[in-house]
Amino acid sequence: GQNIDQPTEMTATEGAIVQINCTYQTSGFNGLFWYQQHAGEAPTFLSYNVLDGLEEKGRFSSFLSRSKGYSYLLLKELQMKDSASYLCAVSKEAGTALIFGKGTTLSVSS
Amino acid sequence: DVKVTQSSRYLVKRTGEKVFLECVQDMDHENMFWYRQDPGLGLRLIYFSYDVKMKEKGDIPEGYSVSREKKERFSLILESASTNQTSMYLCASSASGGTYEQYFGPGTRLTVT
Repeated sequence: GQNIDQPTEMTATEGAIVQINCTYQTSGFNGLFWYQQHAGEAPTFLSYNVLDGLEEKGRFSSFLSRSKGYSYLLLKELQMKDSASYLCAVSKEAGTALIFGKGTTLSVSS
Repeated sequence: DVKVTQSSRYLVKRTGEKVFLECVQDMDHENMFWYRQDPGLGLRLIYFSYDVKMKEKGDIPEGYSVSREKKERFSLILESASTNQTSMYLCASSASGGTYEQYFGPGTRLTVT
């Protein structure tokens, strides 16, 4: 079967660093996506990892370990606007639909 | 900029009605998807289409059908709406030929009473 796990909720303060973990067990693997979704809005693309290692993009970084079935999204210098849900999604095969985790709701306080 | 639009942001229908949700994308994407999103359950795939007139069932196709007569348009049909179909419906599209990000529409919040 397919399983993608991530924490349901996390809290952090402005200026801090937070790491959102995602573990997956799928019958195929062709890459892992992270999306951000603000309340009442559509998910927007943050990052894509297909090879092991860290991908950095400004304040956001994403890491992948294929052997461990593990990824994390690292958010630095947190801002209030980073309060959102963060969705981990796996592509099993090129050209097919993504399998989404249930999302992690991050609340950033001042 | 990729744009995915959905016909309504909010929709209220009665039990038993036939409901059409429309999605249009302007980037000539081959792949289009319909998801529903419910609290605690995340995004679940209903149907996807990889070409005109082609469709594949997702994880929860029961009670739904789809239509893709033109490349840019993908419609979700609830044949006879039921209260358990009250949900947020999200359409997405992506390019084909590899693994590409999906672009999402703003969503339609459907309430069935």
